Amino acid sequence: DTAVSQTPKYLVTQMGNDKSIKCEQNLGHDTMYWYKQDSKKFLKIMFSYNNKELIINETVPNRFSPKSPDKAHLNLHINSLELGDSAVYFCASSQPGISGNTIYFGEGSWLTVV
Amino acid sequence: GDSVTQMEGPVTLSEEAFLTINCTYTATGYPSLFWYVQYPGEGLQLLLKATKADDKGSNKGFEATYRKETTSFHLEKGSVQVSDSAVYFCALTQGAQKLVFGQGTRLTINP
Repeated sequence: DTAVSQTPKYLVTQMGNDKSIKCEQNLGHDTMYWYKQDSKKFLKIMFSYNNKELIINETVPNRFSPKSPDKAHLNLHINSLELGDSAVYFCASSQPGISGNTIYFGEGSWLTVV
Repeated sequence: GDSVTQMEGPVTLSEEAFLTINCTYTATGYPSLFWYVQYPGEGLQLLLKATKADDKGSNKGFEATYRKETTSFHLEKGSVQVSDSAVYFCALTQGAQKLVFGQGTRLTINP
């Protein structure tokens, strides 16, 4: 049973399109995240939600809109895709104060904008 | 703010060689420290962690010790295998607010 699952794993789309990546965790965690990995493998947090409330927004363009319908889901919607949005997007979750604040990641979504 | 610095890659070793990947951090307070691994074409997997000073994390033959006095968390393995080829990320977190990653070190093991 996958703990943090995200779909799709691969997505190729044209500039200007709108796309969504879905994420679900079955760990019972209160906190979920989206991270972006660029072409140089550098990882940076985009958003963090705790119990459906936004707690971190790291100066991400407002074309990116996370949505958390419940604490087990955190979806990422991207409007008007640009070439520079091509990256790997990782969803993650954690439970503060548990297991040394370990953050568990999904398998990633490889987005290519052409 | 908090930051993590890893040794520059890529690192290329022969099978059965000894591995060290250096990691140092800057943080206020007492962070938890992690090593994550990313195999080619795959996602991030937790390799090991340590939550307080002098703790040693270990997994799959890898070890790292949380050294507060030197603010370090170096990754070591006594005898690497070809299957260890991957990108390794050192990271820290405080209060599960967010993980701060190092830049990653690409490791290639030749047979």
